[in-house]
Amino acid sequence: QVQLVQSGAEVEKPGASVKVSCKASGYSFTSYLIHWVRQAPGQGLEWMGWVNAGNGYTEFSQKFRGRVTFMRDTSATTVYMEMGSLTSEDTAVYYCARNDYGSTWIAPWGQGTLVTVSS
Amino acid sequence: QSALTQPPSASGSPGQSVTISCTGTSSDVGGYNSVSWYQQHPGKAPKLMIYDVSKRPSGVPDRFSGSKSGNTASLTVSGLQAEDEADYYCSSYAGSNSLVFGVGTKVTVL
Repeated sequence: QVQLVQSGAEVEKPGASVKVSCKASGYSFTSYLIHWVRQAPGQGLEWMGWVNAGNGYTEFSQKFRGRVTFMRDTSATTVYMEMGSLTSEDTAVYYCARNDYGSTWIAPWGQGTLVTVSS
Repeated sequence: QSALTQPPSASGSPGQSVTISCTGTSSDVGGYNSVSWYQQHPGKAPKLMIYDVSKRPSGVPDRFSGSKSGNTASLTVSGLQAEDEADYYCSSYAGSNSLVFGVGTKVTVL
C-alpha cells in the first residue's frame, strides 16, 4: 500500500538547521509530487510547498522561500525538507504528503515529525 | 496568501447533520473547483475526505458531502457518528502552483 514514513522527532537550538526525511513506498516514486505542510502546537495546517519527485522541481509558499529546501533521492525513494535559521516559531509537526500531477488534493500523509526549537 | 475562513467550532447530536463553511476569495475558492477537505483526529495525520469540491475518495462514507457557491465551500456530515468528532480543514488551490488551508473547525458530537 502507499505509505510515507517520516524521520523521528528533532530538537534544535535557535539559529540551527533541521532536515526531515520522508520515505515513500508502494507506488512509482518519480510519478508524483510531495508536499510539505506544518502544524504548530494547537494551531492549523500551513502549506509550505512541494517537490516534483521526478525532476526535482520545487515550489514554495512565499513565507518559506529562501529558508527551506526540498530535495529528493530517487534511489532511496526519499524526499527531504531542510529548514535553516530556526526560531521558536518553527516549533511544529511537519508532514509530507503525496500529490498527483494536475490534482490539488494531497493524500496520503506521513505520520508527521515534531521539530522543537528551544535553547 | 491568507488562510481560508472557517468557524472555530460546530456541533450536533448523533444522527444529526452538521455543515462547516470555508470562505475564501475569487483568487482561491471562488476561482477554481479545487476545494478539498481533511479530517484530523488528535495526534494523527490529516485524512482526505473530499476533493474537487464534492468528490469522495474510495473508503470515505457517503455521509460526507461537499459543495461550493461563489467564494464559499461547505462540508456536510450527515448522520453524525461519534467517530466524526475531529478537526476539519478545507484547502483550495490558490494559483501559481500553491495551496492554502483553512483555519480549521472542531466538530463535537454531543
